[in-house]
Amino acid sequence: QKEVEQNSGPLSVPEGAIASLNCTYSDRVSQSFFWYRQYSGKSPELIMSIYSNGDKEDGRFTAQLNKASQYVSLLIRDSQPSDSATYLCAVNIMTTDSWGKFQFGAGTQVVVTP
Amino acid sequence: DTGVSQNPRHKITKRGQNVTFRCDPISEHNRLYWYRQTLGQGPEFLTYFQNEAQLEKSRLLSDRFSAERPKGSFSTLEIQRTEQGDSAMYLCASSLRKAGPQETQYFGPGTRLLVL
Repeated sequence: QKEVEQNSGPLSVPEGAIASLNCTYSDRVSQSFFWYRQYSGKSPELIMSIYSNGDKEDGRFTAQLNKASQYVSLLIRDSQPSDSATYLCAVNIMTTDSWGKFQFGAGTQVVVTP
Repeated sequence: DTGVSQNPRHKITKRGQNVTFRCDPISEHNRLYWYRQTLGQGPEFLTYFQNEAQLEKSRLLSDRFSAERPKGSFSTLEIQRTEQGDSAMYLCASSLRKAGPQETQYFGPGTRLLVL
């Protein structure tokens, strides 16, 4: 079982609609969760971080965390063609010494159609 | 530009050659990470440093791979005797590690390696 799982997509979303991305993780002690956006051929770009249960909003983006269910999601409101990219979920992993290692999902490809 | 920088951005080499990549982190960041990413996959952890100490190295990483961060600033990743399976994007990220689990990584532009 992969430590961080995401649906690979592609997730097709009409322009102006809400895109909903999901991520599940297996390490119960993980405390930090991140969403990155990655355009084709480019490096990941941080969108959101979330550490506490509940919702966190930043502009058109909302991250939702449920540690009991080991589930983190990202909502993109009013989707734009420029949101077409792969979205990576990342989770920190407790190692023997400290919080040092980050595990990434394979990413969900989002395609926003005009 | 005060972000993470990586050089070179692209590298084409022949199988069996050695290659070295450099990463310059954000100046105040004490942690530096190396990842490898292939098409359709997320970044795969290779190794990371806190200051000049290498804290962990992936078990998936063969002995052909070595990384250094000699003065706790820039880092190099060397691949010896390259193989075609080494072709990938090599990503560097840095972060500022303080007390507690909250730590955010910022990525450089990556080095794309093609082994012929």
